[in-house]
Amino acid sequence: DAKTTQPTSMDCAEGRAANLPCNHSTISGNEYVYWYRQIHSQGPQYIIHGLKNNETNEMASLIITEDRKSSTLILPHATLRDTAVYYCIVSYPLMYSGGGADGLTFGKGTHLIIQP
Amino acid sequence: EAQVTQNPRYLITVTGKKLTVTCSQNMNHEYMSWYRQDPGLGLRQIYYSMNVEVTDKGDVPEGYKVSRKEKRNFPLILESPSPNQTSLYFCASSPRPGTSSYEQYFGPGTRLTVT
Repeated sequence: DAKTTQPTSMDCAEGRAANLPCNHSTISGNEYVYWYRQIHSQGPQYIIHGLKNNETNEMASLIITEDRKSSTLILPHATLRDTAVYYCIVSYPLMYSGGGADGLTFGKGTHLIIQP
Repeated sequence: EAQVTQNPRYLITVTGKKLTVTCSQNMNHEYMSWYRQDPGLGLRQIYYSMNVEVTDKGDVPEGYKVSRKEKRNFPLILESPSPNQTSLYFCASSPRPGTSSYEQYFGPGTRLTVT
C-alpha cells in the first residue's frame, strides 16, 4: 500500500471549515483514498473514501487532486466533538488485496484540535 | 443497532494465563480483523478473516491465535500472554470482499494489561 504524509497536528476554530491535507505521491491506479478518525482511544470511525472524483457525505467532503498525489478532507462546520486524530489511508479494495497482510495501514495521522 | 462488540473492555492478567477476547458483529459482514494499538506505532493488524473458516496472518501475528467458526464471531486468543502484549485491541468488520468500499466498523476496544 502507498504511504501517506499528514501534518502531525492542526487547530481549527469551532464553526469554521477544517481542511486536513494528505500527500500520497506513490498511489497506484487501483488504490483508494480512505479517511478515518479516532476520538480518544475509541474505535476508529470511517469517514469517507474516494478513487478519482471528489466525494461528499453527511460527515465530510473529500477533494482528490487530478494527479491523485494528494487529497484534502474537509469538515465544513467543525464542532468540538470533531477533535480527534484523523487518518488518511491509501489502500486497494479487498478484492485486489490477495495474500499477505490485508489490513488498513494506519499511520500517525493528524491530531485535529477544534478550539472554542 | 449495527455494531461490533468486544468483551471484556478491560482486562488485567498475569504472564502465561490463557485468555480470550471475544468479538461479535451483527451486520452479517464476511470480513473481520483484529488490530492492536500502541503509542507511537499506530494500529497494526494481527489477524484477519475473509469468511468462515478462512483466516490469515496480519503484520504482527506472533503470540496470537484466532478462529472463525461462525460468521458473526471472531475471538482473539492469547495462549500464553506476555507483557509485550499489553496493548489496546480493536476488532473490526467489513462487508463482503469484492466491493470498492473498505469501510471497516470498529469495536470499542479492549485494554489489556499483562503483568
